[in-house]
Amino acid sequence: EVQLVQSGGDLVQRGGSLRLSCAASGFTFSSHAMSWVRQAPGKGLEWVSTISGTSSGDTYYADSVRGRFTISRDNSRSTLFLQMTSLRAEDTAVYYCVKLTLGTYKNYFDYWGQGTLVTVSS
Amino acid sequence: DIQMTQSPSTLSASVGDRVTITCRASQSISRWLAWYQQKPGKAPKLLIHKASSLESGVPSRFSGTGSGTEFTLTISSLQPDDFATYYCQQYDSYWTFGQGTKVEMK
Repeated sequence: EVQLVQSGGDLVQRGGSLRLSCAASGFTFSSHAMSWVRQAPGKGLEWVSTISGTSSGDTYYADSVRGRFTISRDNSRSTLFLQMTSLRAEDTAVYYCVKLTLGTYKNYFDYWGQGTLVTVSS
Repeated sequence: DIQMTQSPSTLSASVGDRVTITCRASQSISRWLAWYQQKPGKAPKLLIHKASSLESGVPSRFSGTGSGTEFTLTISSLQPDDFATYYCQQYDSYWTFGQGTKVEMK
């Protein structure tokens, strides 16, 4: 059974930093690209970032977070990370860890973590 | 960037109704489209991929059609468990979601 267990959400001040983690199990982690998707309170879903499963670890970012957020993974621990810096009020959201069906090319999200709330106070 | 537009934003319906949600892409995405269902306080759940391929375990009352720029999600006979918000998502170039369609009880 695929499981994505998230941790790290918290209340942080504007301009601060936070690191989210996502522990994966039930599939061959290194074979799959992984993503972060967020949802602001009462709003829709927004793709944030994706990292390939290959050794190259190609990364992709939404314009809204590029230069402030860094996605990474530790395949030896089957764990995905999102390092968030220079946080803004508009980064307040539930952040979901998401598994892609395989690689980053023409693949979609098939499993989602439980979500973790990041609140940026101004 | 590819933009996705869903309509309507809210849909009021009754159990047993046939429900259709439309999703339009700002440029052709072939059939690289997925549909998700989300209930309050829960993570989204994948329903359909590649425009019309039903995920394992998803009831057959859900169906998807379309290609290019116009897509639809249809629930043939709405059930109590189907009241939720539905999102389309393109995965032709990066990943973009529609703004969502809330299906509420009439």
